[in-house]
Amino acid sequence: AQSVAQPEDQVNVAEGNPLTVKCTYSVSGNPYLFWYVQYPNRGLQFLLKYITGDNLVKGSYGFEAEFNKSQTSFHLKKPSALVSDSALYFCAVRTYGNNRLAFGKGNQVVVIP
Amino acid sequence: DADVTQTPRNRITKTGKRIMLECSQTKGHDRMYWYRQDPGLGLQLIYYSFDVKDINKGEISDGYSVSRQAQAKFSLSLESAIPNQTALYFCATSDSGANYGYTFGSGTRLTVV
Repeated sequence: AQSVAQPEDQVNVAEGNPLTVKCTYSVSGNPYLFWYVQYPNRGLQFLLKYITGDNLVKGSYGFEAEFNKSQTSFHLKKPSALVSDSALYFCAVRTYGNNRLAFGKGNQVVVIP
Repeated sequence: DADVTQTPRNRITKTGKRIMLECSQTKGHDRMYWYRQDPGLGLQLIYYSFDVKDINKGEISDGYSVSRQAQAKFSLSLESAIPNQTALYFCATSDSGANYGYTFGSGTRLTVV
């Protein structure tokens, strides 16, 4: 079975401060990991993914994520948060041979001006 | 035009009515999915299809049915709507291969009164 945990329901951060959204996963085999963002009244948009290679992956809108195999984590980070980063963030995982993504419950990020 | 189009965007219907949500895509993807989003519960998979002749139940298929009319079209039906089916519904598509993520539609907000 494959699963994702996003332990915090909401993350509050001041504008300009670093933003971290946590994700841990559980799979059998090598994981393929994804982050999506959902703005109000919109569908989910792809941010970045880890498939193989460098543990630090860079994505859209200045976001990056670090794959840590020993801690089974894939935390999303942004060095300096913007008010426009306020949204719902989803982590997802799948493995080779598994046909579906498993999504976490999502994290609401609120960036305070 | 959007890659994945869902219609309608919003719908209010009465308990007991049959309703169909439609999804069409221009991505050329074989795989299509229907998800339901409820606050605090993340995304729950209702049905998925890997080609026109392949339909599979997801985690919460009771009370729902689907039709894959063509590679580009995948419809979700609520045979007899009930209030706890009030939710945001998303269609998604993907290419085959575990390293591909999903492309989401903008969602249909359904209210059953």
